[in-house]
Order: sequence, then C-alpha cells, then structure tokens
Amino acid sequence: TQLLEQSPQFLSIQEGENLTVYCNSSSVFSSLQWYRQEPGEGPVLLVTVVTGGEVKKLKRLTFQFGDARKDSSLHITAAQTGDTGLYLCAGVKNAGNMLTFGGGTRLMVKP
Amino acid sequence: NAGVTQTPKFQVLKTGQSMTLQCAQDMNHEYMSWYRQDPGMGLRLIHYSVGAGITDQGEVPNGYNVSRSTTEDFPLRLLSAAPSQTSVYFCASSYSLGTVYEQYFGPGTRLTVT
Repeated sequence: TQLLEQSPQFLSIQEGENLTVYCNSSSVFSSLQWYRQEPGEGPVLLVTVVTGGEVKKLKRLTFQFGDARKDSSLHITAAQTGDTGLYLCAGVKNAGNMLTFGGGTRLMVKP
Repeated sequence: NAGVTQTPKFQVLKTGQSMTLQCAQDMNHEYMSWYRQDPGMGLRLIHYSVGAGITDQGEVPNGYNVSRSTTEDFPLRLLSAAPSQTSVYFCASSYSLGTVYEQYFGPGTRLTVT
C-alpha cells in the first residue's frame, strides 16, 4: 500500500471536458507537490502547496490542499490535448524527509 | 544551464553484470536523489544525498550503491544486475526551503536486465 494513493489511475476524456484527479493519504504532509511527466522525459514540477486549505491556480489547472493536509486535488478546466501525460503527486511528511510519490494518474485527452 | 543530465539514456545488461549510471547537475543544488519508476508505482526513492560526502538510503536501496564526492555528481552503481532492476531510473537535484523540496529531474535512463 502506497503512502499516497492517486485516483483514478487512468483517465481518457475528450478535448474541452473538465476533470479532477485526487491524491489521498491517511498521513499529514507538511507540503505537497504536483508534477507532470511526458513520455521519455523526467517529471516537471507544476506546483507546491503548503498551507491546509490552500488553492493555487495555474492557467486552467487548479490545485487544492485539504484542510487537514492529508489530501490534494488537481482540477483541469477545458482540457486540451497538450494536457496529456502522467500526473504525479508527491509529499513531504517532516522537515528533513525526502519526497514520497503517489502512483500517478495517466491522462489522455483526445481531440 | 544544462540542468540535470543523465547518461546513458538506454542500457541493456546481462544478469550479474555491474554498471554505473551517471548523473550531474550544474545548479549548485545541495540535494540529489535517485529514483526508479515502474509501471503503476510512481517513483520510489533509492538513495539520496544532502551534500558532498553525505548519502543515505531511501525506500528501495538494496542492490545499489552511491557516493557523492562533489556537489555536481551523484553516480548510481548496480553491483550485480538482476532482472528485478529492469526499470527507468531518474536522478533529481533540489534545494530546500524548509520542508519544501523543489526537485528538478533528469531525462532518465531506461535499463533492461536480461
């Protein structure tokens, strides 16, 4: 069982649809990050959230950190084919600890 | 800046062979890490370093060795390759802002052990 569980594992939608990806844990995290990874490349950091209840927006992407700092969500509005990729959440439990990654959500946006 | 570079990009080994995966960064980051990525399992931490001369084990360290003699380089050594080590390996460097680590990943090395 992974410390961070992501759902769904796979998501295939049409261009223009909205979607939400979830990252859940029973543990409290001091910070949580979202990465996007494209085939053949390393993950690229999208956002870091630190405060419980925090909401950050990055163009059509909205990231939320749960009030209890145990979960997070990524919402994409009007998905585009360029959003296709693997989305990974990663968290730090305590200062001095390294990142723990979730299993990822593979998103495919069809034209 | 080149960021984080990894070599080779692809490698095929026979069971029992040894090899070193190279990783270098030019951002003067304190922290460097090695991860392996297997389908459906995200990234799992193998070893990490918080500075030159200091290394520690991550979640899945068995079968791997690391050293950090300089800030820039963090090679990963496979001592005796096994088919279970077939994976994609990513090196990352990061700096710390308290409990926040903003990681920069290399392009990965795809390793197949037959």
